[in-house]
This record gives sequence, structure tokens and C-alpha cells, in this order.
Amino acid sequence: EVQLVESGGGLVKPGGSLRLSCAASGFTFSGYSMSWVRQAPGKGPEWVSSISSNSEKIYQSDSLKGRFLISRDNAKNSLYLQMNSLRVEDTAVYYCVFGSYYPESSGYYLPPAYDYWGQGTLVTVSS
Amino acid sequence: QSALTQPASVSGSPGQSITISCIGTNSDVGAYNYVSWYQQHPGKAPKLLIYDVSNRPSGVSNRFSGSKSGNTASLTISGLQTEDEADYYCTSYTRSSSQIFGAGTELTVL
Repeated sequence: EVQLVESGGGLVKPGGSLRLSCAASGFTFSGYSMSWVRQAPGKGPEWVSSISSNSEKIYQSDSLKGRFLISRDNAKNSLYLQMNSLRVEDTAVYYCVFGSYYPESSGYYLPPAYDYWGQGTLVTVSS
Repeated sequence: QSALTQPASVSGSPGQSITISCIGTNSDVGAYNYVSWYQQHPGKAPKLLIYDVSNRPSGVSNRFSGSKSGNTASLTISGLQTEDEADYYCTSYTRSSSQIFGAGTELTVL
């Protein structure tokens, strides 16, 4: 059974930093690109960033470049999101996601759809 | 990049069919066959309903179908059921190697 378990969310002041983690199991983690998607309260989902299986290709939302950095550790089956210079508008539930229909062996480094989502971790940026 | 355009709300009666539109540009929806649709119930993570314009993941009811024409994608739900009441989001891959979501459509089953 595929499991994606996020952790690391919480309350942080504007300008602060936070590192989210995602523990993956139940599939060949090193065979897929992984992504983060966030959803602000009452808003639609927003794609944040994706990383290829060997970390060589990283894709990021233009609006977040320079503040957020995605990384992964295949030995630990883990995905990370380092978030710096946090703003009130970064308040959201952050989901770890992947698309099983898009293995990298088929050339998908930025999966266009995600059939597996974690339960999400809430990040609240407030003074 | 602006979000894909979806109607804020749609409604229908049980048994009826409804269609939700998703309007993009020739840099996203019109450029690739990588449109997907998600259903989200309150307090839950989004659930993939349709990928690659018209493919259904295993376990998703065949009452859900997707299509695309030009820069507009559509999700049709036939035989509406009360449990279909939820928010629906479209998303597309873009020419700038990113993903863009729609703002969402709230479906009410009357």
C-alpha cells in the first residue's frame, strides 16, 4: 500500500523558515519524480515544486523561486521542502504527491497528474 | 501565470448530467494532452478523477469522463449522485515546464 506521510508543519513567524518532510513507502521511490502541492485555506491547490528521481531536474513555481527548495534522499525514501523567508500568504496545507502513471523510465520528470497524496501538513505563517 | 478558468459553481439533480469547463490558453490546455481533474470533499486531499484529458484511474466510476477541444477541457459527470457534491479542480501542464490549477468549481447536488 502506497503511503505518503508529511511532517514538519506548524506555526512560524513571517520571515522564518521551516523544513517539511515526507516519508514514502509502498512503491519504488527512486523510480518516480516527486512533488509538493499546497492549498491555502478556501483556495484551490497550487503546484509548488517537483524533483526528478536522481535530483538532477528540479522544477519550481516561478512565484516561489529563491525561497523554497525541494530535495530528496532515495536511501531514506524521503522528500523534503525547505521553506525560507516565509510570508503570511504561504499559509497552507502542504501535500507530498506523486503520479504512478508517470514513471521516469517513460520520460516523465514533471508528472502532469497525481494519484497519490499524503494527508498534508499545515503551515501557518503568522506573527 | 493566471489560473485556469472554471465556473465557480454548478448544480444538478440526482440522475442528471453536468459538465464543468476549464478554459486555458495555447500555452497550457491547448498545448498538451495533459489535463487532469480532481475531486475534493471538505477536509480531504484531492482525488484524481481523470488524467491525460480522458483517462480514468482504476476505481473511478465511469460516470466521470473528460474531453478537450482547443483551449477548453471539460469534465462530465453523468447520473449525478449526492456523494458527487464536492469541489472539482482541473489542472494542466504548461509550456513553461510547470503546472497550473483551476480555481475550482463547487458542485451542488440538489
